[in-house]
Amino acid sequence: QQPVQSPQAVILREGEDAVINCSSSKALYSVHWYRQKHGEAPVFLMILLKGGEQKGHEKISASFNEKKQQSSLYLTASQLSYSGTYFCGTDQTGANNLFFGTGTRLTVIP
Amino acid sequence: KAGVTQTPRYLIKTRGQQVTLSCSPISGHRSVSWYQQTPGQGLQFLFEYFSETQRNKGNFPGRFSGRQFSNSRSEMNVSTLELGDSALYLCASSLGGQLSNEQFFGPGTRLTVL
Repeated sequence: QQPVQSPQAVILREGEDAVINCSSSKALYSVHWYRQKHGEAPVFLMILLKGGEQKGHEKISASFNEKKQQSSLYLTASQLSYSGTYFCGTDQTGANNLFFGTGTRLTVIP
Repeated sequence: KAGVTQTPRYLIKTRGQQVTLSCSPISGHRSVSWYQQTPGQGLQFLFEYFSETQRNKGNFPGRFSGRQFSNSRSEMNVSTLELGDSALYLCASSLGGQLSNEQFFGPGTRLTVL
């Protein structure tokens, strides 16, 4: 039930773009995206509900392809503050029972 | 608005002991979820409580249990501790209800089992 995230790690220079993918073998009600910095708690980024929607949050946006049960997180014009581990959490029932991927470690360098 | 608080922040126990962790959700949130985070397994769902009832449960042995009080505060108990239980235990609160909504995580309790 754990979703698969890719890539496992990525290094970017400031201003570059990145895409993080999350896929599930199960039908999903929603996909949640979180970012966790070292030694801190995960912080909510956005939720995408079934129906195949797309959301944006400043220079971070995401899409959810319900047919493929895949979600992608897009980070554009990356900043140093974007560094951290990004997790997708998948909810199959709508009851907030989340299964998280193993995370993508993103490092932005000057 | 105060965030999610967890106590204690750090714990050291020995094998065979039991431990109780506490989580106070954001005011007005009725759902509390617990997760175990380890370097090898990532974030794994333990259980979720809503209005004092366990609504969902992950794939953990019965040594892991929890409860929720009428003020939505939640406790998690682990009995007969094993070395493999060493982890960061995170709780997250949300409004709850029937719709998937954002979860707010606490800072976690770092449990070390010797």
